[in-house]
Amino acid sequence: AQKVTQAQTEISVVEKEDVTLDCVYETRDTTYYLFWYKQPPSGELVFLIRRNSFDEQNEISGRYSWNFQKSTSSFNFTITASQVVDSAVYFCALLYAGGTSYGKLTFGQGTILTVHP
Amino acid sequence: DTAVSQTPKYLVTQMGNDKSIKCEQNLGHDTMYWYKQDSKKFLKIMFSYNNKELIINETVPNRFSPKSPDKAHLNLHINSLELGDSAVYFCASSQDKRGRPGNTIYFGEGSWLTVV
Repeated sequence: AQKVTQAQTEISVVEKEDVTLDCVYETRDTTYYLFWYKQPPSGELVFLIRRNSFDEQNEISGRYSWNFQKSTSSFNFTITASQVVDSAVYFCALLYAGGTSYGKLTFGQGTILTVHP
Repeated sequence: DTAVSQTPKYLVTQMGNDKSIKCEQNLGHDTMYWYKQDSKKFLKIMFSYNNKELIINETVPNRFSPKSPDKAHLNLHINSLELGDSAVYFCASSQDKRGRPGNTIYFGEGSWLTVV
């Protein structure tokens, strides 16, 4: 069985601070995918990144960066120089890539990020 | 153009009613899904369809019936609505094909269902 844990329920920062959202996952599978999604106050789910289990390269996209460490089963997300528009709920999710598991994402409980001006 | 669109966005209805939520994707994807987000923001899959064929039915009450007339559409019909059905329902799609899962899953904007 898969499990995703996001240790921080809520984080509050002041604009321009850096913030890291933690994600730890559990799976017995060797092939899997990890995702991050953003849910802004308007409610939609916005895809941010997908990473497969064989690719441990860190990734940077603008102010966003992701640190994937298989040894600690973690896939952490850092926002550099946070902005008010980053305020949202962020979800980490795990997808088992075998069998008939089409699209069966296992989500973490989400981290509510509030960025104050 | 919205890639995954669902209607209605907001729906308030009385207990016992039957309602439908429609979903369409214009991404050319083979697989579509319904996810439910409860009041605590927890997201869980309900159904997945691959090329109109039901793949996952995640122990959802049989009052919920998905229907896929073609691979670009996946509608959700709910009979005899109950208070506990109040939630946000997300439609999604991916390029997953049989035997080759793992592609990015794109979500619609959500449908807020309130049962009173």
